[in-house]
Amino acid sequence: EAGVAQSPRYKIIEKRQSVAFWCNPISGHATLYWYQQILGQGPKLLIQFQNNGVVDDSQLPKDRFSAERLKGVDSTLKIQPAKLEDSAVYLCASRRLAGGPKQFFGPGTRLTVL
Amino acid sequence: GENVEQHPSTLSVQEGDSAVIKCTYSDSASNYFPWYKQELGKGPQLIIDIRSNVGEKKDQRIAVTLNKTAKHFSLHITETQPEDSAVYFCAAPKKTSYDKVIFGPGTSLSVIP
Repeated sequence: EAGVAQSPRYKIIEKRQSVAFWCNPISGHATLYWYQQILGQGPKLLIQFQNNGVVDDSQLPKDRFSAERLKGVDSTLKIQPAKLEDSAVYLCASRRLAGGPKQFFGPGTRLTVL
Repeated sequence: GENVEQHPSTLSVQEGDSAVIKCTYSDSASNYFPWYKQELGKGPQLIIDIRSNVGEKKDQRIAVTLNKTAKHFSLHITETQPEDSAVYFCAAPKKTSYDKVIFGPGTSLSVIP
């Protein structure tokens, strides 16, 4: 079974620029999560999708962050405009709807904002 | 909401020794407690989890214990090996549903050969 795929793996941008991250979950996994992991901290949930609907986006800074999962499969997370404090690893995870609580994480995208 | 604390933040052990990491949570209704291992440059990977209806669960060299009264749970790794070196995160559910969890701040474990 292929794992969660994310791209790019690394991205360096200037502050105020925009950036987008892509995630392809494990086939058949209806639930998809985006996390932000700042260096030295645990992952923090930004948004949760179930199929193409948003379940929880209470921690997403909606003035600059947006995410979509239009066809209920892969997902894109965007930041516009980026701030220095957005420097972090952005992790995507997925879970089968009736498969228990285990989340499968991708390798993450490391974002550096200069 | 749920708050998860984790100690210690760093831990160094000699190969073959045991390692223990402890987490505390705030919501007494929490019912699911996973542990994730994150190696450098990789995403977290679930290594063991426990539901609130059991007090201990073991899987080879790793075990998790749960004390619901004290609201804490611990990860025990015995006979540590260099490949156990990683950052370990505990987590607890956000509200009573396990489909969203709050992660602790992590423990960086170094196993010295």
